[in-house]
Formats: sequence, structure tokens, C-alpha cells
Amino acid sequence: AQSVTQLDSQVPVFEEAPVELRCNYSSSVSVYLFWYVQYPNQGLQLLLKYLSGSTLVKGINGFEAEFNKSQTSFHLRKPSVHISDTAEYFCAVLSYNNNDMRFGAGTRLTVKP
Amino acid sequence: KAGVTQTPRYLIKTRGQQVTLSCSPISGHRSVSWYQQTPGQGLQFLFEYFSETQRNKGNFPGRFSGRQFSNSRSEMNVSTLELGDSALYLCASSLVFGQGETQYFGPGTRLLVL
Repeated sequence: AQSVTQLDSQVPVFEEAPVELRCNYSSSVSVYLFWYVQYPNQGLQLLLKYLSGSTLVKGINGFEAEFNKSQTSFHLRKPSVHISDTAEYFCAVLSYNNNDMRFGAGTRLTVKP
Repeated sequence: KAGVTQTPRYLIKTRGQQVTLSCSPISGHRSVSWYQQTPGQGLQFLFEYFSETQRNKGNFPGRFSGRQFSNSRSEMNVSTLELGDSALYLCASSLVFGQGETQYFGPGTRLLVL
């Protein structure tokens, strides 16, 4: 079975600074990769996903992520964050063959003025 | 297009009771998945239904069950509630499950077991 590790449980950052949220996964089979965002008292919203092809994936709200197969990583980045980006971010993997969906523990991004 | 809706949004039950949660997927979506979210265990996959059939199941006890109706609406039932069942229960819908399809999540039902 696959697993997902989000290396930082909390990331504080100042407004307009760049941010990187780290995600590593482990799997014996090929996987699809996702980043979701969860605002307080809401469900999850898809930011971006990697299925195949170009390893640099662009998503909504100015976020992007890079798939690195050799390092089994899928880090999320944004060059300049806003207060409104304060939320919980989840990395997830879905295996090709058995539809087993696993989420990381989440990273709480707090953007300070 | 309306999003995924879940009812009720909040629920308080006592140990030993049972509870039924409801999920209405986005129109045209035939796959409905359920997840449990807790501070300690994070997001865990419960099960997935497609065309009224359970096709995938997570590692949860048999007290957790579900069903899907012909209109793709889904219900989740938890019997003999335990304190540890207190959680946010999220429902997600997609055209199909897997194959990289995007899942669209509802706002969740927050269950508190006393």
C-alpha cells in the first residue's frame, strides 16, 4: 500500500513571501498525485493534480507543484502568498491499479500580515 | 451546477446509538466516496460506491456501512456509536472513481458522540 508524508505540520509565512509545502510518497505501483486545500468549516477543494506528462503542474490560485519521480516527491509552491491562502493543505496519492486513495496528515499554512 | 451537498451539517449522538448521514452528488456523477477526518488519524477512506455497488472499501469495522440509490445519492450509516467515531465525515463525488478523476467534496457532516 502507498503512504504519504507531509514533512511540515505547520508553515507560518509572511504575506507576499514565497512558500513551499513538502510532500513525499511511497508506493510500489504508479500513482496519481493531488493537492487539496481545506478552508475552515469546509470540505476539500482540488488545487492541482498530476496524472502524467509534464512534471510541473499548475493549479488554481497561483499554486504549482513539481513531480519528482526519483525523489518520490510532489512539493507545492506559490511565489507570493496572500492572507486568504491561510488554510490546511493535503497531499494525496491514488494508485493506478486498486483505486486506493491515501492522504497526508496535512500542513497548516498561516499567512501573516 | 450545484455542488455536493451533505445533510445534516452537525449531529450530536450518544454512545450506542446509530446515525445515518446523507450525500447528494453533483448531477451526472455516479461515484460517491466517503471519508472520515479526525485530528488524530487525519483523512481516511471509508468506502466508494458506483452505480449502487460498493467497489472499494477502507479499513473500517463493519459498524460502518453505506448504500447508494439509483439517483446516485448515498447514505452512510454507523451503528453502535463509539466516542472515537466523533469526526468530520466528508463525501466526495466524481464521474468515476480513480483514473485520476477529480473528486469534488461536500462541506461535511460533523458528528459528535457523547
